[in-house]
Amino acid sequence: GDSVTQMEGPVTLSEEAFLTINCTYTATGYPSLFWYVQYPGEGLQLLLKATKADDKGSNKGFEATYRKETTSFHLEKGSVQVSDSAVYFCALKNQGAQKLVFGQGTRLTINP
Amino acid sequence: NAGVTQTPKFQVLKTGQSMTLQCAQDMNHNSMYWYRQDPGMGLRLIYYSASEGTTDKGEVPNGYNVSRLNKREFSLRLESAAPSQTSVYFCASREGLAGEQFFGPGTRLTVL
Repeated sequence: GDSVTQMEGPVTLSEEAFLTINCTYTATGYPSLFWYVQYPGEGLQLLLKATKADDKGSNKGFEATYRKETTSFHLEKGSVQVSDSAVYFCALKNQGAQKLVFGQGTRLTINP
Repeated sequence: NAGVTQTPKFQVLKTGQSMTLQCAQDMNHNSMYWYRQDPGMGLRLIYYSASEGTTDKGEVPNGYNVSRLNKREFSLRLESAAPSQTSVYFCASREGLAGEQFFGPGTRLTVL
């Protein structure tokens, strides 16, 4: 079945550091890929998405590129802020499917 | 717009007690979902409703029932709570298969 694997957390960085959170997937067909963010005490919010190979999703300084050849969708940001501290989830949805398949989440903490 | 709302925010139950988690959305979305979030496991789909009047099982439906009361409301019922159902429960909604999924703030449930 479809699955998503994220890098193990937690991840702790200093402010202005470069961030990468790895995400790889296994899926039949041509899924859409997503990154969701969950701030403390809140529900998940869509951060960015990509619907086909080589698409780049971007939002709030975060980027991720849909790499079909490596089945990856790594999240990057050039200079993180304390306000980026949250849990990040990678997810996929196959065409015609109802459900999202989530990775296990990566907790990110940014220290001033 | 309130988006997706959930009640209650917190609940403590004893083993064997029953309760219903309520969810409502004001975005006129057709599809609604119930997920549970457990540490290290991401979000797992319990049940979903693709449209008013229909419900379907997700990955982990055992021990739960759902009711799509109308287009706005989708409730999750635990008939006889067990400690394994201690989790954070999220409701979500989406307009169509290609639309963004919006999440509620969650209900933190503890079963003693």
